[in-house]
Amino acid sequence: EPEVTQTPSHQVTQMGQEVILRCVPISNHLYFYWYRQILGQKVEFLVSFYNNEISEKSEIFDDQFSVERPDGSNFTLKIRSTKLEDSAMYFCASRWQGGTGELFFGEGSRLTVL
Amino acid sequence: RKEVEQDPGPFNVPEGATVAFNCTYSNSASQSFFWYRQDCRKEPKLLMSVYSSGNEDGRFTAQLNRASQYISLLIRDSKLSDSATYLCVVSLSGNTPLVFGKGTRLSVIA
Repeated sequence: EPEVTQTPSHQVTQMGQEVILRCVPISNHLYFYWYRQILGQKVEFLVSFYNNEISEKSEIFDDQFSVERPDGSNFTLKIRSTKLEDSAMYFCASRWQGGTGELFFGEGSRLTVL
Repeated sequence: RKEVEQDPGPFNVPEGATVAFNCTYSNSASQSFFWYRQDCRKEPKLLMSVYSSGNEDGRFTAQLNRASQYISLLIRDSKLSDSATYLCVVSLSGNTPLVFGKGTRLSVIA
C-alpha cells in the first residue's frame, strides 16, 4: 500500500538553528500539506501546497517557515531559526486531486528544540 | 469559540460495551466531515467520512446533524484494539484544510 514517508523521525536541535523536515508524498497525489501537533494539543494546519505553490497557510506559518518541492518527489518544510515553541510533531499529508478530502498522513517527524 | 469541540474524555469502557462520542463545529459553511483515529504518538488515520444521511462501517456508525452542527460516532461491541483518541474533523470543502478537534480518548478495558 502506498504511503507518505517522512524523515527524520526525530530531530533534536538547539534554539536558533535551521531545521529541514522531509516528506515523500504518495506518488500520484497532487495536494500536499504540513500539519503540526504540540504534545497534548490538537493537530493544527500549517500550509497547503498545490501546483508548485502555496495555496493556503495558517497564522502559525510565519516568515520563519517555508516549503518547497525541489525535485518533484520530496516536499520539505524548513524552519529558519527554531524557537522552543516549535517543539512538536510535524505531519506531512497528501491527497489525490479530486478526492473526497481524505488525507493520508506520514508517521511524523518529532522536533525537539532545546 | 473553538472551531471543533469534543469531550476530551477519557472514556473507560469494558470490552463489548457501546460508546458514543459527540462533536460540535462552529462554521455552518462546513461541508466535509470525518472521524480520524490517532494512536498514542502516531499519525491520524481516517476512520470514516460522515455523510448527511449517516453511515455505518461494521461496528462504527457516524451521524451528522447540520441544523445543530453536531457530529457523532457510535462504536458497538468495543474491542481492546479500539483504544485510541478519536478526532472529529471538518473542512469547508474537499479542497480546504482540515480542522481538527482535540480528540476524545477511549480506553477499552478487558
